[in-house]
Amino acid sequence: AQSVSQHNHHVILSEAASLELGCNYSYGGTVNLFWYVQYPGQHLQLLLKYFSGDPLVKGIKGFEAEFIKSKFSFNLRKPSVQWSDTAEYFCAVTSFSGGYNKLIFGAGTRLAVHP
Amino acid sequence: NAGVTQTPKFQVLKTGQSMTLQCAQDMNHNSMYWYRQDPGMGLRLIYYSASEGTTDKGEVPNGYNVSRLNKREFSLRLESAAPSQTSVYFCASSGNLAIAKNIQYFGAGTRLSVL
Repeated sequence: AQSVSQHNHHVILSEAASLELGCNYSYGGTVNLFWYVQYPGQHLQLLLKYFSGDPLVKGIKGFEAEFIKSKFSFNLRKPSVQWSDTAEYFCAVTSFSGGYNKLIFGAGTRLAVHP
Repeated sequence: NAGVTQTPKFQVLKTGQSMTLQCAQDMNHNSMYWYRQDPGMGLRLIYYSASEGTTDKGEVPNGYNVSRLNKREFSLRLESAAPSQTSVYFCASSGNLAIAKNIQYFGAGTRLSVL
């Protein structure tokens, strides 16, 4: 079965530190990849997505992610985090199953940024 | 433009009680979904509706029923709540789940506690 693994469940950083959140998926076919973010008390928002083309994808708020097909990875990065980046981050992958594109989520990474 | 609206935001139930979670979207989307979010497990699909008039089981449908009332609304019902159903419930919608580049948009969630 397809699955998504996020390596870190909790990450604590100081402001201005660099961020990299790992995401690996298990699916051999064509995939679409997503990172969603959930700020405290808010709904999930799409941070960025990869469908095809340039494997380095830029999203909102200075985030970017790189799709490395050979490693089945889609890691999220930000050069310098801010306190407002405190949130939970979910990696997700679509796989075509049962006639529809199913969205499979990782367990999430809770990021806390301290001033 | 409200996007995906869920009600209520919070609910406490006693074991055996029933309730319905409401979801409405104003994006003219065809497909709608219900997920539950549990710590360390990411989001898991309960039910989905590919289009108005259709509903199908997702990964964890037991104990739930759904109704796609019209194109805008998709409700989730717990007939006899159990403590194992304590969770955060998210509704989502998307243009068409049969299309590869299918992006889901989420509501703010309903935090449900079953005592």
